[in-house]
Amino acid sequence: DAGVIQSPRHEVTEMGQEVTLRCKPISGHDYLFWYRQTMMRGLELLIYFNNNVPIDDSGMPEDRFSAKMPNASFSTLKIQPSEPRDSAVYFCASDGAAASPLHFGSGTRLTVT
Amino acid sequence: GIQVEQSPPDLILQEGANSTLRCNFSDSVNNLQWFHQNPWGQLINLFYIPSGTKQNGRLSATTVATERYSLLYISSSQTTDSGVYFCALGSYTGTASKLTFGTGTRLQVTL
Repeated sequence: DAGVIQSPRHEVTEMGQEVTLRCKPISGHDYLFWYRQTMMRGLELLIYFNNNVPIDDSGMPEDRFSAKMPNASFSTLKIQPSEPRDSAVYFCASDGAAASPLHFGSGTRLTVT
Repeated sequence: GIQVEQSPPDLILQEGANSTLRCNFSDSVNNLQWFHQNPWGQLINLFYIPSGTKQNGRLSATTVATERYSLLYISSSQTTDSGVYFCALGSYTGTASKLTFGTGTRLQVTL
């Protein structure tokens, strides 16, 4: 298996622009998670899906953030409009069932100038 | 919410030395995992270990759920072990799949 695949690896954008991050989970995994990592706050869970349905989005910081999972093999995290404080590494992760090993993608390093 | 405390925050070892990393937590768990974030930022799952002991090569982990702690042992450390080690867990009072991460132990292995 290729593992969790994220794109792009790096994204540099200007404040006010729309940013879309993409994720392909491991085939057969029912859960998909979006995390954000910063020096100040560490790893934070933003939202997770079970069988393509959003279960908990309490970690999404503001209405500027939205996430979708239109099918079992694809999810997006969108920030609109982006702000400099959104600069972070965004990770996507998946696992096969509740309480099973979590597998991370390589992350997207977002820089908003 | 659940509290996760890792110690030590930083650790420097010479190659070949052994080490023990600790994770204390504030709530009952049904999901505890250890991760290694390498210097390139990749997060690798080391163990899924809500209880008991597991071993994988030079690494082993033990979780004593009743006493609310987990230990990660690294034996004969190598420079490739450098990076940050995270403990993450989900509790019975929440949703098992929703993990809370500790702040990590930063390990540097020198020649």
